[in-house]
Amino acid sequence: GIQVEQSPPDLILQEGANSTLRCNFSDSVNNLQWFHQNPWGQLINLFYIPSGTKQNGRLSATTVATERYSLLYISSSQTTDSGVYFCAVEDTGGGNKLTFGTGTQLKVEL
Amino acid sequence: NAGVTQTPKFQVLKTGQSMTLQCAQDMNHNSMYWYRQDPGMGLRLIYYSASEGTTDKGEVPNGYNVSRLNKREFSLRLESAAPSQTSVYFCASSAHGGTSGRGLGLYEQYFGPGTRLTVT
Repeated sequence: GIQVEQSPPDLILQEGANSTLRCNFSDSVNNLQWFHQNPWGQLINLFYIPSGTKQNGRLSATTVATERYSLLYISSSQTTDSGVYFCAVEDTGGGNKLTFGTGTQLKVEL
Repeated sequence: NAGVTQTPKFQVLKTGQSMTLQCAQDMNHNSMYWYRQDPGMGLRLIYYSASEGTTDKGEVPNGYNVSRLNKREFSLRLESAAPSQTSVYFCASSAHGGTSGRGLGLYEQYFGPGTRLTVT
């Protein structure tokens, strides 16, 4: 099956810093999604981004499907950005299901 | 609009006991999913239902059964719980392009709040 790798596995930032999270995948995909799991365990869909670039406030994401990677940018980080960021993909032969990466654990400190 | 709801939020079972986790969505989504999350393992798919009337195994189906009761509801059953099934269980749902006319593939996936299950 498709492999999804995220880097870095862990990241510690000072409040106000910027960061880039990366997601690499091993095969062609129908779509790619980014999720944030907050420290209380809630999973929130951040972006549905099969290709191109989207922005939502301080967060933006870019997917280059032909090169099999996606990037999540966090600017001016805040403590509320802490948690785990997952990317997930549906491969083109995947039958209506997502495969998740193992996530990037982000901690934003004051 | 409640989104995806799950019950119960917490459960403690003894080895060998059975239980059913309930999930419902009010977004008229065709596809529903059950995942488990273990420390350091990310999210792993247990079973899914691409549409009402169909269910398929995911990555870790052993020890579980599912029922797609109707379009809104998708339940997960543990017939004989084992300590290895201690985990956090998430239900999720999404629409997909095959039924929306917008093209192939899934659309945004939405998650319930999770059930924390401990098996002793």
